[in-house]
Amino acid sequence: EVQLLESGGNLVQPGGSLRLSCATSGFTFSRYGLSWVRQAPGKGLEWVSTISGSGGSTYYADSVKGRFTISRDTSTNTLSLEMKSLRAEDTAVYSCAKENLVLVPTPTSVDQFYYMDVWGKGTTVTVSS
Amino acid sequence: DIQMTQSPSSLSASVGDRVTITCRASQSISRSLNWYQQKPGKAPKLLIYAASSLPSGVPSRFSGTGSGTDFILTISSLQPEDFATYYCQESYRSHMYSFGQGTKLESK
Repeated sequence: EVQLLESGGNLVQPGGSLRLSCATSGFTFSRYGLSWVRQAPGKGLEWVSTISGSGGSTYYADSVKGRFTISRDTSTNTLSLEMKSLRAEDTAVYSCAKENLVLVPTPTSVDQFYYMDVWGKGTTVTVSS
Repeated sequence: DIQMTQSPSSLSASVGDRVTITCRASQSISRSLNWYQQKPGKAPKLLIYAASSLPSGVPSRFSGTGSGTDFILTISSLQPEDFATYYCQESYRSHMYSFGQGTKLESK
């Protein structure tokens, strides 16, 4: 069974830093991309960042680019999110999600469709003085 | 950036009703559209991927259609456990995503 378990959420002052972790199990870690998605209190889902299965490519939402860094450790099967220069608007539940991919052949190429098939329950980050 | 707009933002329905939720993309995204269900305090659950594919274990009363910019999630006969918030998500740009603002489905 695939499992994702986040940790590291806390209360932090504006301008501060925090590191979140996501412990994974039940799948071949290096084969799948992993993402962070956040949800502010009473609001919708917001994609934050994704790292490829190899760890060689990273992607960020404009709202966190330059402040957040995503990484993964194949020795511990753990995903991390380093957050710096935190703002009040970063307050949210942060969840990790496993990325999956389906390939659909067409007459001229192969279409790729990504989706998030397993999610963790999240860890709460509160940015406040 | 690709913007996703869902309608309606909220919806009241009764058990047994047929329910449709619409999602529109700001540009063509082919069939790179996923749907998720979220209940209060719980993690989102994948309902539909690639616009119309049902993951294993998702009831067949859920279906998805559409391509390009316009997509629809349909629940053919609403069940008590279906009251939740539904989100569409585009995945057109590999490894980058945008979500719709959500549709809250409530009991009438």
